[in-house]
Amino acid sequence: EVQLVESGGGLVQPGGSLRLSCAASGFTFRSFAMSWFRQAPGKGLEWVSIISGSGGTTYYADAVKGRFTISRDNSKNILYLQMNSLRADDTAVYYCAKGDVVVVVAANWFDTWGQGTLVTVSS
Amino acid sequence: SYELTQPPSVSVSPGQTARITCSADALPMQYAYWYQQKSGQAPVLVVYKDSERPSGIPERFSGSNSGTTVTLTISGVQAEDEADYYCQSADSSGTYRVFGGGTKLTVL
Repeated sequence: EVQLVESGGGLVQPGGSLRLSCAASGFTFRSFAMSWFRQAPGKGLEWVSIISGSGGTTYYADAVKGRFTISRDNSKNILYLQMNSLRADDTAVYYCAKGDVVVVVAANWFDTWGQGTLVTVSS
Repeated sequence: SYELTQPPSVSVSPGQTARITCSADALPMQYAYWYQQKSGQAPVLVVYKDSERPSGIPERFSGSNSGTTVTLTISGVQAEDEADYYCQSADSSGTYRVFGGGTKLTVL
């Protein structure tokens, strides 16, 4: 069974940092692009970042560019999101999701999602 | 990047057909993907590449593309279909992904 389990969320002060993890199982992790999404309380879905299967290609939403870094450890089957300079509007449930192929292309879709981890940025 | 526009809400009675639209403000629109999100749960992919249905998704879910507007159609709506539905697409290079604002489907 394909499974994604996020962890690392919590309460952090504005300007602080947090690293999210997404543990993958049930599929050949290195063979699929992975992505992070988020959903602020009561709001819609928002794409955050994507990484190719090799880790060599990464893209970010404008709202997080320069503050967040996506990475992956294919030996451990874990996806990461390092979040720095956090702001109140970064408060959201963060989801990781599995892409359909190894490369990052416009036609990527995301067929499996984790249950999410809540990040709250507040003083 | 560009924007996708969905109606905030759609209401139908059980057994009727629900149609949820998603319009792009720029052409051409890349493939569209539809996600269902029930309250308190993670999103689930219900349609990919405009009209393809993943395995395990009921046949009553279908998608279509008319160029500037894509539509998710749910035929014979059931109470369990009540959820928020989001369309998603990307720019031509795959650099950005964008979601519509979401549509709340209410089954009366």
